[in-house]
Amino acid sequence: SQQGEEDPQALSIQEGENATMNCSYKTSINNLQWYRQNSGRGLVHLILIRSNEREKHSGRLRVTLDTSKKSSSLLITASRAADTASYFCATVTYSGAGSYQLTFGKGTKLSVIP
Amino acid sequence: DAGVTQSPTHLIKTRGQQVTLRCSPKSGHDTVSWYQQALGQGPQFIFQYYEEEERQRGNFPDRFSGHQFPNYSSELNVNALLLGDSALYLCASSAGQGFFNEKLFFGSGTQLSVL
Repeated sequence: SQQGEEDPQALSIQEGENATMNCSYKTSINNLQWYRQNSGRGLVHLILIRSNEREKHSGRLRVTLDTSKKSSSLLITASRAADTASYFCATVTYSGAGSYQLTFGKGTKLSVIP
Repeated sequence: DAGVTQSPTHLIKTRGQQVTLRCSPKSGHDTVSWYQQALGQGPQFIFQYYEEEERQRGNFPDRFSGHQFPNYSSELNVNALLLGDSALYLCASSAGQGFFNEKLFFGSGTQLSVL
C-alpha cells in the first residue's frame, strides 16, 4: 500500500520556471523524504525533513512540511531541462518493535521544456 | 567509492520459472532493502536484511525470499514467476538497522520481464 499521494501526477513547465509538487499522507510520520528518479532507473535521495521541522532548503530545492495537514511540498526553483524526472515522496512511520517503514507515493512526473 | 550495484540489468523469464537478483551495497553499509516498482507506480517495499537476517517484510508472498551474505551483499529470489512479477527491482542500502532515519542509496535496478 502507498501512504503518500503526490499531486499533480504530471507537470510540464518551461525552463526557468518554478515547479511545485505536493505530497499528502495519512498517518503520523517520523520523517518525510523526497527522491528523484530518471527514466525508471535508480532513485536518488534529495532531501529529508523531520517531523519537528517545517522547512528545509538544499540548493534550488525547498521542502515544507505541515504535520497538522499531513502534507509536504517540494519546490524546485529556476528549473532546468536536466530536472526532468519523476519525483517521489516517501514517509517514514514507526511500525512497532523498534522498526520503521519507508513508504513511497506514486510520484509526480516533471517535464521541463527547454 | 562504488555505490550500490545490481545485476543483472535486464532479465527475461517465462511464467513458472525462478529468478535470482543480486545486490552489492555501498561501501560501509550493512543494511539492504529490496523494492518492487511496477510501471507508473512508486516502489513497494519487499523486505530488509540486516546482520544476515530478514528484519522486516512488506506485503509480498512467500514466493519472494532473500538472503544476505557476510560481506553484506544480498540476493532476491522469486519462485513460480507470474506475469504480474514483471517490474523494476530496486536494491537500496544504508548503515545500521535504524536506517529509516537516514537516506537510502539505490542501485540502478534490475528490469524483470515475465513472458
